[in-house]
Amino acid sequence: ETAVFQTPNYHVTQVGNEVSFNCKQTLGHDTMYWYKQDSKKLLKIMFSYNNKQLIVNETVPRRFSPQSSDKAHLNLRIKSVEPEDSAVYLCASSSGQNANSDYTFGSGTRLLVI
Amino acid sequence: GQQVQQSPASLVLQEGENAELQCNFSSTATRLQWFYQRPGGSLVSLLYNPSGTKHTGRLTSTTVTKERRSSLHISSSQTTDSGTYFCAMEPGNMGYKLTFGTGTSLLVDP
Repeated sequence: ETAVFQTPNYHVTQVGNEVSFNCKQTLGHDTMYWYKQDSKKLLKIMFSYNNKQLIVNETVPRRFSPQSSDKAHLNLRIKSVEPEDSAVYLCASSSGQNANSDYTFGSGTRLLVI
Repeated sequence: GQQVQQSPASLVLQEGENAELQCNFSSTATRLQWFYQRPGGSLVSLLYNPSGTKHTGRLTSTTVTKERRSSLHISSSQTTDSGTYFCAMEPGNMGYKLTFGTGTSLLVDP
């Protein structure tokens, strides 16, 4: 099956803890992304990687750090989580510069910080 | 930065009615895409339409690039169409960052 796979689906943690989310795509895409969707369903880009290289780094708190071992994997680590980090984190991939967009999203990781 | 506004914010239809969703963006878009999200689900790409008119099934999108607007028409709505519809744009064609609209929440009653 070719798709974007995210783990875990759901994670509950306490303020100050560290969490890591995994994302893998089997579509052969060159570009991967992390988006954050808040409680009002607003979606914002956090990071973009192209062939393991960081391309886009939006204004994101320094406690967020993406990690890419190869172009098929893009993980997200959050050091010392805050309550405002509660959201759904969506991983996506695409061919990047291919004008016929093939954006594919994973099912998301829902984070609840208590 | 780029802004993307969608209207209406929410819409309630009876099954069989048509829906018209609007998207306006603040800068010229070379990538314009419509996505669908079922409640609690992930985003699914519906149509990629940076200009002109595109069709797929009961969906029709028309994008007027110079006027910085796009629309999504859903014909003969079904209860399974319920969910949130997002448009997303990118000013360049580098494929590295989409700016999403605020979404239109659609509820189709039987």
